[in-house]
Amino acid sequence: TQLLEQSPQFLSIQEGENLTVYCNSSSVFSSLQWYRQEPGEGPVLLVTVVTGGEVKKLKRLTFQFGDARKDSSLHITAAQPGDTGLYLCAGVYNAGNMLTFGGGTRLMVKP
Amino acid sequence: GAVVSQHPSRVICKSGTSVKIECRSLDFQATTMFWYRQFPKQSLMLMATSNEGSKATYEQGVEKDKFLINHASLTLSTLTVTSAHPEDSSFYICSARDPGGGDTGELFFGEGSRLTVL
Repeated sequence: TQLLEQSPQFLSIQEGENLTVYCNSSSVFSSLQWYRQEPGEGPVLLVTVVTGGEVKKLKRLTFQFGDARKDSSLHITAAQPGDTGLYLCAGVYNAGNMLTFGGGTRLMVKP
Repeated sequence: GAVVSQHPSRVICKSGTSVKIECRSLDFQATTMFWYRQFPKQSLMLMATSNEGSKATYEQGVEKDKFLINHASLTLSTLTVTSAHPEDSSFYICSARDPGGGDTGELFFGEGSRLTVL
């Protein structure tokens, strides 16, 4: 069974703080995505990473793909209340195969 | 980007009744759609893969007769929860692959449907 572990499961921080969410697996991903889900809505794709060592930035969000393509991280700088939500990493282990979701990180940013 | 729409967004039903949830790809054709279930404060659990023109592929532990999936056209898949019981109450989400995403597996999700069985 291919497992995708996310940590932390829950994070509550003050506005303006920085945070990092991790996504780890013992297997190699062919690609990995990060999604954000707000309560009562479906997940929305934030980014896809494909190349080992790749770094992508989306405003205050920085996504990194590990060199060995087994792990990824999401770093948020100066978090805002609008960043509150469930962050999900999801990986494809072999091109064209199913997407496997991590357990999710529930982020709460307090004003 | 591609748009996937679900209906209804919320449904409340009595125990023993059946409920149908629709998932439509609005601006692209989707030969494959995916149905997920999500419990409160948890991640997504894949229930089944809906294949246009053929039978759905169910994940282990998901009852085929309980969760009927029909994918009759390239833009519509339906999930019917038959003889619903309170334990079927959950958030159901459908998704379809980005037609331009190649093998990266990117998904577009519907808005989700919250089912409450009384």
